[in-house]
Amino acid sequence: DIQMTQSPSSVSASVGDRVTITCRASQGISSWLAWYQQKPGKAPKLLIYEASSLQSGVPSRFSGSGSGTDFTLTINSLQPEDFATYYCQQANSFPLTFGGGTKVELK
Amino acid sequence: QITLKESGPTLVKPTQTLTLTCTFSGFSLSTSGVGVGWIRQPPGKALEWLALIYWDDDKRYSPSLKSRLTITKDTSKNQVVLTMTNMDPVDTATYYCAQRPSVWGAFDIWGQGTMVTVSS
Repeated sequence: DIQMTQSPSSVSASVGDRVTITCRASQGISSWLAWYQQKPGKAPKLLIYEASSLQSGVPSRFSGSGSGTDFTLTINSLQPEDFATYYCQQANSFPLTFGGGTKVELK
Repeated sequence: QITLKESGPTLVKPTQTLTLTCTFSGFSLSTSGVGVGWIRQPPGKALEWLALIYWDDDKRYSPSLKSRLTITKDTSKNQVVLTMTNMDPVDTATYYCAQRPSVWGAFDIWGQGTMVTVSS
């Protein structure tokens, strides 16, 4: 199985900050990585697919980068609605696996 | 507009079999490349992928749960059914179904989820 390790597990930030979340795969997954946002009591929402492609309707302050084993989700100019938990997921091979999540909290 | 909705019991007893149904609209599970998966999330914990079925009836399972899971589809009813045998309290979670629009894609549309509690 491919293990997905996210860091940090939580981050405190203020509105307007830039936040960077990293995800490391235990083996190469090319660009087959997705990022999701989840708010309490809600289903995950796809933000980024294939490492850097922005899902339709997602604000451009979200961006993804990386390939191989190291990936990054960046949120530029954090907005109040961005406080949530973020998950990465590898789509390269079965079993599909998710990272442990990163909670973005208000400082 | 693509929607998915999970349905099933909210409470099951230990050792019982759980049957969950995902009813979807806005796409066809007979379209090449399309899949529907199940993902669960125990309270306060991370997401865990369980199973996936493709348009061609190819089925994939989490190795750790494979012996307990069965995924099937009814294309005419736009439904995907997941059964999980021998339920245990550690299986208490919110269960989601989600569409995977291409063989290598992410889960782009998710259902609202259904909370299942395993308790005697």
